[in-house]
Amino acid sequence: DAGITQSPRHKVTETGTPVTLRCHQTENHRYMYWYRQDPGHGLRLIHYSYGVKDTDKGEVSDGYSVSRSKTEDFLLTLESATSSQTSVYFCAISETTLNTEAFFGQGTRLTVV
Amino acid sequence: GQQLNQSPQSMFIQEGEDVSMNCTSSSIFNTWLWYKQDPGEGPVLLIALYKAGELTSNGRLTAQFGITRKDSFLNISASIPSDVGIYFCAGFLGTASKLTFGTGTRLQVTL
Repeated sequence: DAGITQSPRHKVTETGTPVTLRCHQTENHRYMYWYRQDPGHGLRLIHYSYGVKDTDKGEVSDGYSVSRSKTEDFLLTLESATSSQTSVYFCAISETTLNTEAFFGQGTRLTVV
Repeated sequence: GQQLNQSPQSMFIQEGEDVSMNCTSSSIFNTWLWYKQDPGEGPVLLIALYKAGELTSNGRLTAQFGITRKDSFLNISASIPSDVGIYFCAGFLGTASKLTFGTGTRLQVTL
């Protein structure tokens, strides 16, 4: 298995509170991605990173921010959590844009009450 | 944004049967990927396709990259109970560094 660790694996938080999810990789891959998975929508890209301090928005980026200060870590922050952000969040990594075999972490289940 | 439509949405088959599912897009892709997801786990890559018309196998799985570059197909032969799960297609256009996923096909295998 690719060395990807997501933390926490489960979290319940209250509406309006900030939440940070962490993705840690040991593969030294350049590209890292955050997806959310909701019934009927498959996996939708939130943000991605193509290097340290280099990030870009995906299709559902509103309400989320990311940071990548080290190659191995990619953080996803919900500045003020809302119930619509209740979801399962997956981190993925890939080595290059040519080799697009992205590998996924085990996911973080976030519930906003 | 780009949309990937997978069909069927769900399938109930008997052990030993062959399975076919497909994925179509309104836009072309340079790469097609097929993933399987088990409950409570992240998607696991099954097959990657990089060239229009390409046919690639991985054990009992065979996938094809459509000639138009707007579709892909996944076949599973002689299904077994551990094939149960959700199968996702994903398309990649290249420079955008973004994978677009389909909504998934849920496969149930009965003994």
